[in-house]
Amino acid sequence: DQQVKQNSPSLSVQEGRISILNCDYTNSMFDYFLWYKKYPAEGPTFLISISSIKDKNEDGRFTVFLNKSAKHLSLHIVPSQPGDSAVYFCAAGSGNQFYFGTGTSLTVIP
Amino acid sequence: KAGVTQTPRYLIKTRGQQVTLSCSPISGHRSVSWYQQTPGQGLQFLFEYFSETQRNKGNFPGRFSGRQFSNSRSEMNVSTLELGDSALYLCASGTGGFTGETQYFGPGTRLLVL
Repeated sequence: DQQVKQNSPSLSVQEGRISILNCDYTNSMFDYFLWYKKYPAEGPTFLISISSIKDKNEDGRFTVFLNKSAKHLSLHIVPSQPGDSAVYFCAAGSGNQFYFGTGTSLTVIP
Repeated sequence: KAGVTQTPRYLIKTRGQQVTLSCSPISGHRSVSWYQQTPGQGLQFLFEYFSETQRNKGNFPGRFSGRQFSNSRSEMNVSTLELGDSALYLCASGTGGFTGETQYFGPGTRLLVL
């Protein structure tokens, strides 16, 4: 059973607009959440994280929002750029065991 | 620092065979985690090793096993291969700390089982 779900397999956005990627999790014990970005033929690379004591973390164009009561997190990319086109995985867990979603393929259209 | 390396990058095996994959973590990292990536299931956690001990384990059958050496290099073994084992196998290394730990992934080994 998937503990972390990304219900949108793909998303297309115009360059310059906002990209919003969503992720839901089931285990209320998870206390750390991460987003990874993956290009073809490469391993995922860490993008941004948030701990359960926060509800927002911002790093440049990337912001992660956490809604603990809804067990939901989202990644906002503003403004979106063509180089952002990749597969984005969210991960949730605690300690050193993390569960990943199935990924959302983002395409930013120039 | 050199990144996480995985060998081989590609493998073709037949059903019933066994396979061993290798992962060399970033220098100084003592934690190595293994993941299986398939189109339908995404990234699924296999197990994590820290200081030569399996610290966490995912929900995979016993055909999947691993070990870690004193230099933190790790191997993953899959015995009696099945067609469904075809996947990208990723390892990730970290310092092994708790909460706030981020992992650095290797490029993966793509296994095809015929």
